[in-house]
Amino acid sequence: DAGVIQSPRHEVTEMGQEVTLRCKPISGHDYLFWYRQTMMRGLELLIYFNNNVPIDDSGMPEDRFSAKMPNASFSTLKIQPSEPRDSAVYFCASKTSNTEAFFGQGTRLTVV
Amino acid sequence: AQSVTQPDIHITVSEGASLELRCNYSYGATPYLFWYVQSPGQGLQLLLKYFSGDTLVQGIKGFEAEFKRSQSSFNLRKPSVHWSDAAEYFCAVDTGRRALTFGSGTRLQVQP
Repeated sequence: DAGVIQSPRHEVTEMGQEVTLRCKPISGHDYLFWYRQTMMRGLELLIYFNNNVPIDDSGMPEDRFSAKMPNASFSTLKIQPSEPRDSAVYFCASKTSNTEAFFGQGTRLTVV
Repeated sequence: AQSVTQPDIHITVSEGASLELRCNYSYGATPYLFWYVQSPGQGLQLLLKYFSGDTLVQGIKGFEAEFKRSQSSFNLRKPSVHWSDAAEYFCAVDTGRRALTFGSGTRLQVQP
């Protein structure tokens, strides 16, 4: 398996623009997580899905953030409109109930 | 709410020296415990995990960790550090809700 695949690896956008981050989990994994990593706040859970259903979105910082999982092999995290304070590395991870979480390589987002 | 404490932000050791990275958690029961490693610009890679059973667990790259219930600790050890071990190390817990709560990380620097 190729592991968790995230795209793009790097994204630079202007403030106010919409940003969409993409994730393909490992096949057969029924949990999918979105984390954000910053120097100030470390690794924070934003939202996670089980069987494509959002279970806990309490970590989503604002209404500007939204996440979807239309099927078992794809998820998106959207920020609209983006702000400079959204600059961070965003990680997607997937797992089954009996395994550890496997992380993607991350998307480094810079909002200027 | 559960929390994870990594008291050492930055540790420097000489190559060939032993290493211990500390991790304490706050949770009423025994959670699932993990150590992940992150190299610059990379995602998180699992070093080892504790679910139950033997409290001394072996991981990849010669790392081991010991779960001590009485101290709510899960310290990571390596008897002889290699220059390639320089990275950031994260302790994490899963209290049953399937999502991970991470510590703030310990950055390891290895001197030749």
